[in-house]
Amino acid sequence: NAGVTQTPKFQVLKTGQSMTLQCAQDMNHEYMSWYRQDPGMGLRLIHYSVGAGITDQGEVPNGYNVSRSTTEDFPLRLLSAAPSQTSVYFCATAPDFLKHRDYNEQFFGPGTRLTVL
Amino acid sequence: AQRVTQPEKLLSVFKGAPVELKCNYSYSGSPELFWYVQYSRQRLQLLLRHISRESIKGFTADLNKGETSFHLKKPFAQEEDSAMYYCALSGRSGGYNKLIFGAGTRLAVHP
Repeated sequence: NAGVTQTPKFQVLKTGQSMTLQCAQDMNHEYMSWYRQDPGMGLRLIHYSVGAGITDQGEVPNGYNVSRSTTEDFPLRLLSAAPSQTSVYFCATAPDFLKHRDYNEQFFGPGTRLTVL
Repeated sequence: AQRVTQPEKLLSVFKGAPVELKCNYSYSGSPELFWYVQYSRQRLQLLLRHISRESIKGFTADLNKGETSFHLKKPFAQEEDSAMYYCALSGRSGGYNKLIFGAGTRLAVHP
């Protein structure tokens, strides 16, 4: 039972390159999300998904794309990396919100540290 | 607008001293408040949530709706409490399970 896994752990890109950050979970959670963590700014929501085939934008979606073809996976795509996207990226999951109205805990992956030169 | 404010970037105390990490929020509906913690080289994890009214690792937090605060307290700090602490808010008025995080406070407990 791995929980929430993220790959890679570290990545260095050049400006303009593209890449995909992977997130997978084996907890059968409906909700998955991506955050970026920057010093002095806490965690900011990029995109989230409430189930396979359903995604929506968070607080800072520009420059990022997501898709959710399965319950288990929620990849984050950077189409043309920019230095402003240098950050630590966290994936998080939670049980279905509507079914668990009094239980709102999110489970986080270990993070991916991305540097864009 | 939903917002979480943690006014202190760093809180430095000695072992055995009381600790209070401040958190204020703005939200028009009925909020659900959390404290998450990130120890060195570990992933972010839930410390406690206001709805359960529990004490975890000696920490407590009371939701004060009048002052819109959810401060985290511990009477006697331990060195192993050193970590990054994030206050977070989840709204119930529509939408889904979106957490709004504060900027975080680093707690450093010195021997």
